[in-house]
Amino acid sequence: KAGVTQTPRYLIKTRGQQVTLSCSPISGHRSVSWYQQTPGQGLQFLFEYFSETQRNKGNFPGRFSGRQFSNSRSEMNVSTLELGDSALYLCASSLTTSTDTQYFGPGTRLTVL
Amino acid sequence: QQQVKQSPQSLIVQKGGISIINCAYENTAFDYFPWYQQFPGKGPALLIAIRPDVSEKKEGRFTISFNKSAKQFSLHIMDSQPGDSATYFCAASNGGATNKLIFGTGTLLAVQP
Repeated sequence: KAGVTQTPRYLIKTRGQQVTLSCSPISGHRSVSWYQQTPGQGLQFLFEYFSETQRNKGNFPGRFSGRQFSNSRSEMNVSTLELGDSALYLCASSLTTSTDTQYFGPGTRLTVL
Repeated sequence: QQQVKQSPQSLIVQKGGISIINCAYENTAFDYFPWYQQFPGKGPALLIAIRPDVSEKKEGRFTISFNKSAKQFSLHIMDSQPGDSATYFCAASNGGATNKLIFGTGTLLAVQP
């Protein structure tokens, strides 16, 4: 079974731009969560989608948004990029509930200049 | 109350030794405690997980010890090997209809040959 894939793997943007990151979960997994990883703040939960509905949201500004499609693929969007948005963005998929193992993708490294 | 505190920040162990990483939490609603291992350039991978109804879980060289009354849990890596050199994260979740994981700050483990 293929693992979680994320595209692109690397992105360089400038302040004020917007960016869209993509995540394809493991086949059959319906839950997709997004995390931001930085050296200073560690791994922080952004949001979770299940069956195309946002099920939970972390403490991030409204510039961070996401969606999930009927095939469980998910995208996250960051508008009006700031320097502090530079981070590794990780996507994790699981079958359904929190009792299921979350499998992480390799991440998208976003650099904001 | 949503925090998970992890220590030490870094750890150097000789090959064959025991690596011990500790975590503490405040939220008594947490009911799922996984440990993740992350290598450079990779996403976190689930190592082992425990629920509060057991005090210890062992998988190969990896053991989680759980103390519900103290709200602490720890990872023990027996016979540590250079290939175990990675960053380790503890995490917690309060289940229900969410996959949100609260992560510790991470421990960088270096196993010297």
